[in-house]
Amino acid sequence: EGQLLESGGDLVQPGGSLRLSCGASGFTFSNYAMIWVRQAPGKGLEWVSGISVTGAKTDFADSVKGRFTISRVNSKNTLYLQMISLRAEDTAVYYCAKAGMGLVGPLYYMDVWGKGTTVTVSS
Amino acid sequence: EIVLTQFPGTLSLSPGERATLSCRASQSVSSSYLAWYQQKPGQAPRLLVYGASSRATGIPDRFSGSGSGTDFTLTISRLEPEDFAVYYCQQYGNSPRTFGQGTKVEIK
Repeated sequence: EGQLLESGGDLVQPGGSLRLSCGASGFTFSNYAMIWVRQAPGKGLEWVSGISVTGAKTDFADSVKGRFTISRVNSKNTLYLQMISLRAEDTAVYYCAKAGMGLVGPLYYMDVWGKGTTVTVSS
Repeated sequence: EIVLTQFPGTLSLSPGERATLSCRASQSVSSSYLAWYQQKPGQAPRLLVYGASSRATGIPDRFSGSGSGTDFTLTISRLEPEDFAVYYCQQYGNSPRTFGQGTKVEIK
C-alpha cells in the first residue's frame, strides 16, 4: 500500500516562507499523482494542491494560489510544497497523500496518507 | 467550486445501531467521483469509499456508500466501538476538489 512521511513543518512568522517535503516508500512513486491536504486546528479538511505523475499538471485551492508551489522529484521519491507569504490562516497540519488510479489516469481521491507535519504561522 | 454539505453535523448513536450520513453537493458530481474518509482524533484520515460506492482495501463490509448526482450516503450497518469518529465526504470530479465539513459520530 505504501507509506508517506512528511517533514519541514515549523513555526514561521507572517510573511515568511517554508518548504515541506514528503518521502514516499512501498509503492512506485512515479506512477501516481500526489496531493497536499491541510487541517487547521479544530477544523475540517481542506484540499491544498495536486500534481500529476510528471509534474506537468498542477492545481491549487484558491486560498493558496500564487503563494504555494507543488513539485516532485521522482528519482528521489519525494513531493514538495513550497509556501511563501505565509499567513496566520495557513496554520494547520499538512498531510501528503497518494492519489487513486482510474482506468485512464489518476483520480484525485486519497488512498494513502502520511501522518502530517505542523505549520504554525505566528509572530 | 462544488460545495459539499454534510448532515447531520453530529450523530449520537449506540454501538450496534445503524448510522446514516448524508452529503449533498451544490451541483452534480461528475461520474460519481465522491469519496468518504474516517478520521479519529490525532490521526490522519483513512479512505473508506471511492467512486461513491466502492469500498477501499481492507474496509469492513459494514461500511457502504451510495448515491449519485448531488446526493450521497455513507451507511454503517452496525456501529462498532472503533467507528466513533468524524467522517468527511470529498468530491474529486471537479477542480478544485472539495471536502464537506464533516459529520461526527459520537457514542450516545
